[in-house]
Formats: sequence, structure tokens, C-alpha cells
Amino acid sequence: RKEVEQDPGPFNVPEGATVAFNCTYSNSASQSFFWYRQDCRKEPKLLMSVYSSGNEDGRFTAQLNRASQYISLLIRDSKLSDSATYLCVALYTGGFKTIFGAGTRLFVKA
Amino acid sequence: NAGVTQTPKFRILKIGQSMTLQCTQDMNHNYMYWYRQDPGMGLKLIYYSVGAGITDKGEVPNGYNVSRSTTEDFPLRLELAAPSQTSVYFCASSYRDSRGGVSSYEQYFGPGTRLTVT
Repeated sequence: RKEVEQDPGPFNVPEGATVAFNCTYSNSASQSFFWYRQDCRKEPKLLMSVYSSGNEDGRFTAQLNRASQYISLLIRDSKLSDSATYLCVALYTGGFKTIFGAGTRLFVKA
Repeated sequence: NAGVTQTPKFRILKIGQSMTLQCTQDMNHNYMYWYRQDPGMGLKLIYYSVGAGITDKGEVPNGYNVSRSTTEDFPLRLELAAPSQTSVYFCASSYRDSRGGVSSYEQYFGPGTRLTVT
């Protein structure tokens, strides 16, 4: 079983739709979690950190459920520019061991 | 402030050749990382460093070496290149950000080096 698992997708949604991604992690010792966005043939860029209390940044909302060991990302009012791969990341032991999921691909259509 | 820079952007190596991938950051970050990303896969940690003079192995260190003589630079050395090392290599750096008693390590990535070994 992979330490961090994501549905690879692709998710194909129309503009304006709401879409949600889940990510599960197997190691309960995971300390911190992030969602990164990666455009085709580019480097990953931090989208948002995920905290136990949940957090929101504009159209994006991230949630952490430690009991069930999953994190989620909700994108509201999807834009064409949201088309990308979304990477789930778990950090352990002071942030040195970083485990990336394989990513979920999102295509937003006009 | 350039962030994290990597050179070269592209490289083709023959089997058995060696090369060094360069990584430099100008943000005075203590922590630096090297990852590889194979097609359709997530990033895998090769090596990391928590400061000048300190390095440690990640998930997939075999076939690679690193050094960290300064805070800014974290080169990755490939000895005896093999086709299995064909990949995109990303360097990243981070700092510690404590929030509410929980530490997090947001990472900033360089643009990557696309390496092909034939």
C-alpha cells in the first residue's frame, strides 16, 4: 500500500463546477500536510497547507481528518486556469521525510 | 530574489557517464531537498540536508551523492549513469514555520532538470 494515495483521475468538469479531491495516508505519525499544484512540465507550487481545523483560501478549502487519515481539497467555481495536477503531501519527523502522492489530474472545460 | 535555481535545464547522458546537477537558493533556507519525478508519478525524495555540512538519505538514494558546503548550494552527483535514472529532477528548499505549536515545512521548488540516459 502506498503511503499517500490519490485518485489519479482525470476529473473533467465544466467551468463553474465544484470539485473535490481526497487523499489518504497510511502513517498516523504524519505531522503536516499540503496540497501542491503542478502544471504540465513545471515544478510543483504550494497551493495551501492543511491544518487540523481546516482552512480556506478563496475558492479553495482544505480539510484534515486524522481519525480517518485523509485530507481533502474542495475547489468551488472552477476556472479554466485550475486545470493542473494536484499533489497531496505528507510530512513526518520534523519535515524531513516528505511523501508525495502521485497526483490527481483536473481538466476544467469551457 | 531568484528563489531556487537549477542547472542545466536539460541533459542527455550516455550510460556510465557522470554529471552534477546544480541547485542554488537565495532565500537563506536551512533545509534543502532533491527529488526525482518519473512520468505519471509523484516525487520521490533522493537526499535532503538540514544545513551546511549535514546531509541524509531519502527514499531513493542509490546511484546518487550530495554535498552541502554552503547554505546556498546543494549539488546532486550522478556517478555511472543508468537508464533507470532518466527522470525529471527537482531541487527544493524550506524553512521552519511554527504555527499554533505545530511546525510545518513549506517547500519551494526549482524549475527542474530533465535528464535522459541512453
